[in-house]
Amino acid sequence: AQKITQTQPGMFVQEKEAVTLDCTYDTSDPSYGLFWYKQPSSGEMIFLIYQGSYDQQNATEGRYSLNFQKARKSANLVISASQLGDSAMYFCAMREGRDGGYQKVTFGTGTKLQVIP
Amino acid sequence: KAGVTQTPRYLIKTRGQQVTLSCSPISGHRSVSWYQQTPGQGLQFLFEYFSETQRNKGNFPGRFSGRQFSNSRSEMNVSTLELGDSALYLCASSLREGPDTQYFGPGTRLTVL
Repeated sequence: AQKITQTQPGMFVQEKEAVTLDCTYDTSDPSYGLFWYKQPSSGEMIFLIYQGSYDQQNATEGRYSLNFQKARKSANLVISASQLGDSAMYFCAMREGRDGGYQKVTFGTGTKLQVIP
Repeated sequence: KAGVTQTPRYLIKTRGQQVTLSCSPISGHRSVSWYQQTPGQGLQFLFEYFSETQRNKGNFPGRFSGRQFSNSRSEMNVSTLELGDSALYLCASSLREGPDTQYFGPGTRLTVL
């Protein structure tokens, strides 16, 4: 089973509108971290936001917020007030903790977001 | 604070050759991970090092190896290159082990002819 699932291969959003990128995950470990990264066409991965499994509140970083629904195992990224520079690939990732050790980071297949002027 | 640096940025090799890629983490970061990114397979985990010890390893053949030095700098080596090894190789560093944020370098784009 896929550990991280991003069901939207591509999305369009109008400039200044909000957009939600979906991410669901699969783990039986109570301790894990969820991440979102942005990868522009230049190739560099840019960290956006982090949510820990024990965090009570949804993470926010500027225009980015993470809609964390633990029971549904979803960690959707919300980008408010989209800008042309937001056009990029977006990856959801998870790292599980297990018995004092930590597993590798697993990435989803990504969502290509295009912001339309 | 300087970010993660990777050298070289671009590399062209021929089949059968070997290659060494280098990664310098953010100052103070002790964990380094390597990833291979291809259009077909996406982002795949190669290995992770923490304090010079390999902590995790992905499902890659033994031709792929790595190491970490006492200053946390890391290298990965690919021997007997194959066409399918053409990819963007990304290095990421984090302060600690565990579900800590990873910061990525710009990557090394390897082309195997």
